[in-house]
Amino acid sequence: ILNVEQSPQSLHVQEGDSTNFTCSFPSSNFYALHWYRWETAKSPEALFVMTLNGDEKKKGRISATLNTKEGYSYLYIKGSQPEDSATYLCALSFSGGYNKLIFGAGTRLAVHP
Amino acid sequence: SQTIHQWPATLVQPVGSPLSLECTVEGTSNPNLYWYRQAAGRGLQLLFYSVGIGQISSEVPQNLSASRPQDRQFILSSKKLLLSDSGFYLCAWRRRDRESSYTFGSGTRLTVV
Repeated sequence: ILNVEQSPQSLHVQEGDSTNFTCSFPSSNFYALHWYRWETAKSPEALFVMTLNGDEKKKGRISATLNTKEGYSYLYIKGSQPEDSATYLCALSFSGGYNKLIFGAGTRLAVHP
Repeated sequence: SQTIHQWPATLVQPVGSPLSLECTVEGTSNPNLYWYRQAAGRGLQLLFYSVGIGQISSEVPQNLSASRPQDRQFILSSKKLLLSDSGFYLCAWRRRDRESSYTFGSGTRLTVV
């Protein structure tokens, strides 16, 4: 069974704080890593897809890095806003099964005004 | 542009009754299609995926089945629902390139009583 671990499970921050969370995965047979943002009562929304070791992607105040050799990715949010409150999901596909995406349990972020 | 439709949005069914959830994709051809489930307090679990008409891969042995009768239609079924089938079901599609992200439907909240 391929395990995708996310930490922390939940996080409470104040508006304006910067924050980051981690996604850990088996480094062998890596194919692609996805980050999604899932707001309550909505569908998960794609943030980033990363495939290369050392990849860094940015979208506004949110950025992500990837280390495939040691098996982790970080998601950073700079200057958190209440509208950033959501569950952030990390998901991976692996060679030999690249048509399917395995999700972590997510990090639930609450940003308080 | 591509859109994904999933229905119904909510469903309350008695134990032992049948189930049929439908998902259709517009604006693309030959997509990969997926059914995920989120049980209470847990992450997204991959149930089935399909890379073509009539081709179904099952990830978790269970009380459910899936079918893909047309290129852009994916159906999740059960002959007899169990209480443990309750959860939030999401359909998704993606293109076949490595950096393609998943696009999710709006989800179905199934409660088995």
